[in-house]
Amino acid sequence: KAGVTQTPRYLIKTRGQQVTLSCSPISGHRSVSWYQQTPGQGLQFLFEYFSETQRNKGNFPGRFSGRQFSNSRSEMNVSTLELGDSALYLCASSPSTTNEKLFFGSGTQLSVL
Amino acid sequence: SQQGEEDPQALSIQEGENATMNCSYKTSINNLQWYRQNSGRGLVHLILIRSNEREKHSGRLRVTLDTSKKSSSLLITASRAADTASYFCAMDSSYKLIFGSGTRLLVRP
Repeated sequence: KAGVTQTPRYLIKTRGQQVTLSCSPISGHRSVSWYQQTPGQGLQFLFEYFSETQRNKGNFPGRFSGRQFSNSRSEMNVSTLELGDSALYLCASSPSTTNEKLFFGSGTQLSVL
Repeated sequence: SQQGEEDPQALSIQEGENATMNCSYKTSINNLQWYRQNSGRGLVHLILIRSNEREKHSGRLRVTLDTSKKSSSLLITASRAADTASYFCAMDSSYKLIFGSGTRLLVRP
């Protein structure tokens, strides 16, 4: 089985732009979670989707949004990028709703200049 | 803000020694998990302990959980250079997994 795939691996944007990150979960996994990882704040929960519905959302501004498609693939979008949005964005999938074991992708490293 | 703190923040040991990492949390949990992350890559699930369990083993890993103190520890026995990584505890509460601040482990050959 292929693992969780995140694209692109690296991304460089400038302030004010918007960006879309993609995540393909492991086949059969219906839950997808997104995390932001920075040296200062560590791993911060962004949101979680199950069967195209957002089940939970972290404490991030409305500039951060996401969605999940019927094939469980997920995208997250960040609009009006700020320097502080520079981070490693990690996607994780799970076969169930219980979050008992998350399978992570390698992440998208976003740099905002 | 994070709901889990780990100590030490960094740990350097010799190959063959044991490594112990501690995690404290604030909220009630369904279970607590430990993950490993190699330098800027994705996290890998190591072990899960449920809120009604006190100790669990998996290979060279031993995890304890004290819900009265809201704390957990991860022991890696007979460490190897390949164990060099960052280790995170993660609290499962209310449909989300909240990660601790992490411990950077360096195992010297």
